[in-house]
Amino acid sequence: KAGVTQTPRYLIKTRGQQVTLSCSPISGHRSVSWYQQTPGQGLQFLFEYFSETQRNKGNFPGRFSGRQFSNSRSEMNVSTLELGDSALYLCASSQGDATDTQYFGPGTRLTVL
Amino acid sequence: AQTVTQSQPEMSVQEAETVTLSCTYDTSENNYYLFWYKQPPSRQMILVIRQEAYKQQNATENRFSVNFQKAAKSFSLKISDSQLGDTAMYFCAFQLIYGQNFVFGPGTRLSVLP
Repeated sequence: KAGVTQTPRYLIKTRGQQVTLSCSPISGHRSVSWYQQTPGQGLQFLFEYFSETQRNKGNFPGRFSGRQFSNSRSEMNVSTLELGDSALYLCASSQGDATDTQYFGPGTRLTVL
Repeated sequence: AQTVTQSQPEMSVQEAETVTLSCTYDTSENNYYLFWYKQPPSRQMILVIRQEAYKQQNATENRFSVNFQKAAKSFSLKISDSQLGDTAMYFCAFQLIYGQNFVFGPGTRLSVLP
């Protein structure tokens, strides 16, 4: 099976812009979770989607949003970018049951100038 | 809320030796999972080992084993016969049994020296 893929791998934006990141889960996986990784804050949970519905949400401002499509692919959108949004954004997929292990993608490195 | 602590920001070990990475966590829940993930430099996060809290037996995966002490809320990772490819950032993570979001520790950067 192909692993979790994320596009693009690298992105440079300026303050105030918006950005959309994409994640394709492992075939058959219905759950996609998003994480932000920074040197200062470590890995922080953003949100999780299951069957096109947001099932869990972390403590991030409303500028961070996401959605999931019927094929389980997920997108994350960040509006009005701030310098502090510079981070590695990771997505992870699982089959969706509580006992399932999450498998991570390679991440999208976002730099906000 | 759950928290995960890794008290060793950096560690090093000689090739072929054994190293233990520490992790402690705090939760009032009884049913959960614990994980160790490995993130090699510029590469993606890989699951190393997983432990179900209801199992008393410590999980093992080849050269990797854990020492799970539920009462002490401790979950350390032992790497035996360390290899250069073990050089990576290691994250301890906690997941409630009915939750999907992980809580990660800050990580331990492990360097395996030739």
